[in-house]
Amino acid sequence: DVVLTQTPVSLLISLGGQASISCRSSQSLVHSNGNTYLHWYLQKPGQSPQLLIYQVSNRFSGIPDRFSGSGSGTDFTLKISRVEPEDLGVYYCLQRTHNPPTFGGGTKLELK
Amino acid sequence: QIQLVQSGPELKKPGESVKISCKASGYTFTDYAMNWVKQAPGNGLKWMGWINTQTGKPTYADDFKQRFVFSLETSASTAYLQINNLNIEDTATYFCTRHKGGDFDYWGQGVMVTVSS
Repeated sequence: DVVLTQTPVSLLISLGGQASISCRSSQSLVHSNGNTYLHWYLQKPGQSPQLLIYQVSNRFSGIPDRFSGSGSGTDFTLKISRVEPEDLGVYYCLQRTHNPPTFGGGTKLELK
Repeated sequence: QIQLVQSGPELKKPGESVKISCKASGYTFTDYAMNWVKQAPGNGLKWMGWINTQTGKPTYADDFKQRFVFSLETSASTAYLQINNLNIEDTATYFCTRHKGGDFDYWGQGVMVTVSS
């Protein structure tokens, strides 16, 4: 199975600050069709995960442009600028290029 | 609006079975496959498998091939997860989530299943 390693495990950020989360894959996430199925989710406390970014860099419906995704191959990054209180929670990356789908271990974003 | 609404929390004893539901609304149920994801307390997310909502064919991840059953009631736009012969390690929150393309875009609110003697 593909292993996704997220760093850091936790992140202390001031309101208005910028956060950067890395997701590294044990193998390339480029599908044979040329697409890269690496997605980012936020799970707020007591809630289900919500899709933020799909296929590396595309914001899902209603997601503000403070969230941006980048990367290729095995290395991916989620950036959150101007952090707001509603951004707090655990961020997960997910790959669906290879079966079975696998999630990263999560990065907890907390207020400094 | 698109919603996946799951059934309520369950408290079961070891050896019992549980069947949880996921009712879809706001879209054509058979246009999207349904997946199930497990989250043990304080842990991350683990994909359990998916069911083809057009054919009813389930596909299980390796760790979920023995006691887990995915099923559908298409006329009610509802997917089900049944877990047989429950053990303590099945204590977790179970989410349903749909996909058509490469991502899981909408998720249910989750069902907490507690297994305790």
